[in-house]
Amino acid sequence: EAQVTQNPRYLITVTGKKLTVTCSQNMNHEYMSWYRQDPGLGLRQIYYSMNVEVTDKGDVPEGYKVSRKEKRNFPLILESPSPNQTSLYFCASRRTGNTEAFFGQGTRLTVV
Amino acid sequence: GEDVEQSLFLSVREGDSSVINCTYTDSSSTYLYWYKQEPGAGLQLLTYIFSNMDMKQDQRLTVLLNKKDKHLSLRIADTQTGDSAIYFCAETSFSGNTGKLIFGQGTTLQVKP
Repeated sequence: EAQVTQNPRYLITVTGKKLTVTCSQNMNHEYMSWYRQDPGLGLRQIYYSMNVEVTDKGDVPEGYKVSRKEKRNFPLILESPSPNQTSLYFCASRRTGNTEAFFGQGTRLTVV
Repeated sequence: GEDVEQSLFLSVREGDSSVINCTYTDSSSTYLYWYKQEPGAGLQLLTYIFSNMDMKQDQRLTVLLNKKDKHLSLRIADTQTGDSAIYFCAETSFSGNTGKLIFGQGTTLQVKP
């Protein structure tokens, strides 16, 4: 089954404790990206990757890092989480030039 | 910059039609999308329309695009309680950051029995 898998689905952590949210897709898609969803703001892109070893900032990259060492995986790293990073995070992937993006189920992160 | 705007809330009665509206600013938009998000779930692509089209119909869903006014709407006929969800309008231009989706704030659709 074609899918984008994020882990964990839920995470509560403390300020400053490094964490990684994993994202994996099994569709051989070139393009992957991370979004955060906040009430009244919709989804905003954090980082994106157009292919292996090619990453770039989206609209709200501060406080986040990503890596793309393999085509299928695109982890989101928070080196020193802060409460303003409490949000619902989505990973998405799609074939370059294709119309449809596939989204993971989301990761609800709370930073206390 | 690019911007997509939606009203935040819509309430309808079961069996009525729902119309969710969206406006966008990017004149180079290539594709416009409607996504549905049910509680606790990810985003499900409902439908999309290419910018050179005026209308697209898919079963109970009708998408209308007014490119001159940069206005997109989603009509759901015979709305059911299972249609209660948040609906996001999104656009992409496939230029620059190819594949980036610009989302609206989301419209919460409440369907009353």
